[in-house]
Amino acid sequence: KAGVTQTPRYLIKTRGQQVTLSCSPISGHRSVSWYQQTPGQGLQFLFEYFSETQRNKGNFPGRFSGRQFSNSRSEMNVSTLELGDSALYLCASSLWIISGGNTEAFFGQGTRLTVV
Amino acid sequence: SQQGEEDPQALSIQEGENATMNCSYKTSINNLQWYRQNSGRGLVHLILIRSNEREKHSGRLRVTLDTSKKSSSLLITASRAADTASYFCATDANSGGSNYKLTFGKGTLLTVNP
Repeated sequence: KAGVTQTPRYLIKTRGQQVTLSCSPISGHRSVSWYQQTPGQGLQFLFEYFSETQRNKGNFPGRFSGRQFSNSRSEMNVSTLELGDSALYLCASSLWIISGGNTEAFFGQGTRLTVV
Repeated sequence: SQQGEEDPQALSIQEGENATMNCSYKTSINNLQWYRQNSGRGLVHLILIRSNEREKHSGRLRVTLDTSKKSSSLLITASRAADTASYFCATDANSGGSNYKLTFGKGTLLTVNP
């Protein structure tokens, strides 16, 4: 069974540019979450999508947005990049069951974004 | 604020020894998961324990959960150099709800010396 795939693995962007990151979840998983990891703030929740709907959003500015497609693949976009957006961006997918909610969350290898 | 807080922040042991890491959290949870992360890479899922479970085993891993104390521990037995990594606990505070999110602690950096 293929795992969670994130592309690209590495990105270097200039301040003010925008960037789009992609995540393909495990087959059958309809819940996709995004997290930002930095040395100072640790792992922080960005947002979660389920069946193309954003169910929850973390405390990030509106420059951070995302979407989910009908095949459950998800993208996140960051506009007007700032130096502080340099981070490892991680995507996780999980199965949602009616009786118990979300099961284990499996993560991709991440996209390392560097803003210069 | 961080839901999970791992303790200790760093742990250095010799190969063959056991390693114990602790995690405390603040609110009621649906489940708690432990992850491993090798330097700068993705998170590897280790184990999930539900709020109605007290102990779970997986290979050399043993996880306990004490919901009355809002704490969990991860025990790695007979550690190997390959276990060197950062370990995180993550809590899911929503029970089957529509606002799924994981809250992570800052992690324990485990170093296993050969």
